[in-house]
Amino acid sequence: QQPVQSPQAVILREGEDAVINCSSSKALYSVHWYRQKHGEAPVFLMILLKGGEQKGHEKISASFNEKKQQSSLYLTASQLSYSGTYFCGTEPNSGGSNYKLTFGKGTLLTVNP
Amino acid sequence: SQTIHQWPATLVQPVGSPLSLECTVEGTSNPNLYWYRQAAGRGLQLLFYSVGIGQISSEVPQNLSASRPQDRQFILSSKKLLLSDSGFYLCAWSRGRMRNQPQHFGDGTRLSIL
Repeated sequence: QQPVQSPQAVILREGEDAVINCSSSKALYSVHWYRQKHGEAPVFLMILLKGGEQKGHEKISASFNEKKQQSSLYLTASQLSYSGTYFCGTEPNSGGSNYKLTFGKGTLLTVNP
Repeated sequence: SQTIHQWPATLVQPVGSPLSLECTVEGTSNPNLYWYRQAAGRGLQLLFYSVGIGQISSEVPQNLSASRPQDRQFILSSKKLLLSDSGFYLCAWSRGRMRNQPQHFGDGTRLSIL
């Protein structure tokens, strides 16, 4: 089942912060985050594996609440280069794995000067 | 290092014509391979994935098919294209038969059906 991302779109001014959420109706094994710039392929940002785990990538970090089946991506002091569509991809916590992800519909982030 | 090649970058085809998109991965063995389609302004729809030669799992019933004739080669095909097949097609790979591995995408093929 497709995870739900919110908000669908957000507009920031350079230097502002943003939070993008990803929630699933299924128990999750992992959450992946990707960023896709207009006309380009998605690029991997990070994977979160454990409940409550928080990882960072430059000024972009994320958390994963396993019990709530939710992940949040935090963008602090946003830069123009952060503009793009952010996707979460989820792997369910079912027995075994088929190595596939189900992606959300994406959140369009626009950072203006 | 690993690289993924996908071609062509852009393709314009008439309705009813056949299709063949190719994807190859270098620098790794036994990768998991994926085909996604992305409609304009939309999310990533998984079409097919493969965990080994000749092993194809289909996610969405449609007039497309996939094949994996070699370990690092993944082909997306159609015998007769429909207008609804237009979109951005992405191939991706991840380390084979391992969980928690990122997927790495090719540059994509932008397919327009006339």
